[in-house]
Amino acid sequence: NAGVTQTPKFRILKIGQSMTLQCTQDMNHNYMYWYRQDPGMGLKLIYYSVGAGITDKGEVPNGYNVSRSTTEDFPLRLELAAPSQTSVYFCASIDRDRGLGYTFGSGTRLTVV
Amino acid sequence: GESVGLHLPTLSVQEGDNSIINCAYSNSASDYFIWYKQESGKGPQFIIDIRSNMDKRQGQRVTVLLNKTVKHLSLQIAATQPGDSAVYFCAEKLAGGGNKLTFGTGTQLKVEL
Repeated sequence: NAGVTQTPKFRILKIGQSMTLQCTQDMNHNYMYWYRQDPGMGLKLIYYSVGAGITDKGEVPNGYNVSRSTTEDFPLRLELAAPSQTSVYFCASIDRDRGLGYTFGSGTRLTVV
Repeated sequence: GESVGLHLPTLSVQEGDNSIINCAYSNSASDYFIWYKQESGKGPQFIIDIRSNMDKRQGQRVTVLLNKTVKHLSLQIAATQPGDSAVYFCAEKLAGGGNKLTFGTGTQLKVEL
């Protein structure tokens, strides 16, 4: 099992550009999450999904969109990048029936200039 | 709003000593807590968890203590090793569906040789 895989690892965007952060898990987990982590801060929930076709907003959803067309994939879309979206983005997943210890990806470091 | 926070941003300990990392939470309805370890450039890694109907839970070299009266959580690491150097986050499970977690800001643990 590869676990949770995020791509790319690093990206620099110009203001107003758009991009998609990819997240894939091969553990057949029901629940998937996107968090952002600003320097010296904890993680804040952007969006989450409890299964294919179902997504919900987290604490800081503005400026982002997600989709969950399959169990494995949960991409995060930035439509009009802003400097405030400079952060490290983590994708995570859990098996609903096996507990709450998230498995995290290794993160995507995004800089908007 | 409700939040999870940590008392000490940085903790320095000598190799071989015991470490104690503290966390205060404010949501009395939280029923599940997790400690994560995050090494530089990596995603958070699950360490240990505890449910609100327990006061103490032990793992390998780690112990989590929960004091619901004062809404306090602590992580004890026995015989701290250089490999324990990392940022440690506590997280609490929010009420409602989706198994969403709220993370504290983190404590940097530095192990001195």
